[in-house]
Amino acid sequence: LAKTTQPISMDSYEGQEVNITCSHNNIATNDYITWYQQFPSQGPRFIIQGYKTKVTNEVASLFIPADRKSSTLSLPRVSLSDTAVYYCLVANTGGFKTIFGAGTRLFVKA
Amino acid sequence: NAGVTQTPKFQVLKTGQSMTLQCAQDMNHEYMSWYRQDPGMGLRLIHYSVGAGITDQGEVPNGYNVSRSTTEDFPLRLLSAAPSQTSVYFCASSYSAGWNYGYTFGSGTRLTVV
Repeated sequence: LAKTTQPISMDSYEGQEVNITCSHNNIATNDYITWYQQFPSQGPRFIIQGYKTKVTNEVASLFIPADRKSSTLSLPRVSLSDTAVYYCLVANTGGFKTIFGAGTRLFVKA
Repeated sequence: NAGVTQTPKFQVLKTGQSMTLQCAQDMNHEYMSWYRQDPGMGLRLIHYSVGAGITDQGEVPNGYNVSRSTTEDFPLRLLSAAPSQTSVYFCASSYSAGWNYGYTFGSGTRLTVV
């Protein structure tokens, strides 16, 4: 199972674009990359998932380079309510043993 | 739809006591799992199930039992509670464990063992 490395914390201001990069040097061919968001006292919430290149939904974009050894979650124009912990994880196509790292604590300031 | 429902939300146990954390989902999801989250840390997988009657161990299964008699329910049993099991427990479910299906998490059970 590929281990992920993310920054422990990040600060931003309202209206800015935030990019959180995750390293997963040992990612396997069958692994895909998923990002979750967690607010205090709540369970994580699925944000976005990808295998390669770029994926975009109504919440975020996910950029994955050709070697897939890293990925970047991009949050456009963050607001105070985006203050949360963001987890990057990798899992195989079976996805049975999904491993969460410590996550990145994003603090958005006014 | 209620999604993933966990009960109780809070529980205090004495060392050595046993209890069952309940998890139910109404989305007809095949895959369900249990995680624990300790302060300031990520989630660690305890047990998971890919369908009724099928369970397997995750990263930290010791001290916990599970069973899956129905698609909807996936209870987690603490056999003899220890202070090291003080944590927040999350149940998650997914239509499939595979590609392009994210997990839906419950709101958690905060367990304290004294």
